[in-house]
Amino acid sequence: QKEVEQNSGPLSVPEGAIASLNCTYSDRGSQSFFWYRQYSGKSPELIMSIYSNGDKEDGRFTAQLNKASQYVSLLIRDSQPSDSATYLCAVNSPDYKLSFGAGTTVTVRA
Amino acid sequence: SAVISQKPSRDICQRGTSLTIQCQVDSQVTMMFWYRQQPGQSLTLIATANQGSEATYESGFVIDKFPISRPNLTFSTLTVSNMSPEDSSIYLCSVRTGGPETQYFGPGTRLLVL
Repeated sequence: QKEVEQNSGPLSVPEGAIASLNCTYSDRGSQSFFWYRQYSGKSPELIMSIYSNGDKEDGRFTAQLNKASQYVSLLIRDSQPSDSATYLCAVNSPDYKLSFGAGTTVTVRA
Repeated sequence: SAVISQKPSRDICQRGTSLTIQCQVDSQVTMMFWYRQQPGQSLTLIATANQGSEATYESGFVIDKFPISRPNLTFSTLTVSNMSPEDSSIYLCSVRTGGPETQYFGPGTRLLVL
């Protein structure tokens, strides 16, 4: 499995603010990138996937991909207490195996 | 996305025993995987469950310790053999459907070995 690194947490943001999560990966041949959200005691839930350079928006979530810099990020706009969770960055290899980062724990303060 | 169930949802086992975890999907899927998430850690891929052939294991995981079966395109089992307290983890199955290159996870099996 290839190396995936996420910015260390925990990240605490006030309600309504933007939470910014970062992820870098080592395998330049990676083509597919994912963000999973994991609530405490639950399994990971896919919230975003991105395959091309640029931005992809889905509701309050925006994923950004820069393959040249081997960098993928997730922005959570208008953060809500329900966004409090651990966010996992995952990178797909050509044989469909996922490599995960260590995760960033986000706490949204009401 | 597929609906994935796992059994048991949790268990407490004694050292030296074995536990078989089942993963059932509500539709045929091309690929199934087994992951481990140790306390406070991220997910680590154990193996790819191949339908009709032996599973493909990642470095650090061996068939004798984690035998896997996949008799059809909707079902797989993972056995944790000769358990020790270090095997206490959450075990998750995931599936890749035939569409986008995405994986969805089952609810997980929480295992505590005493």
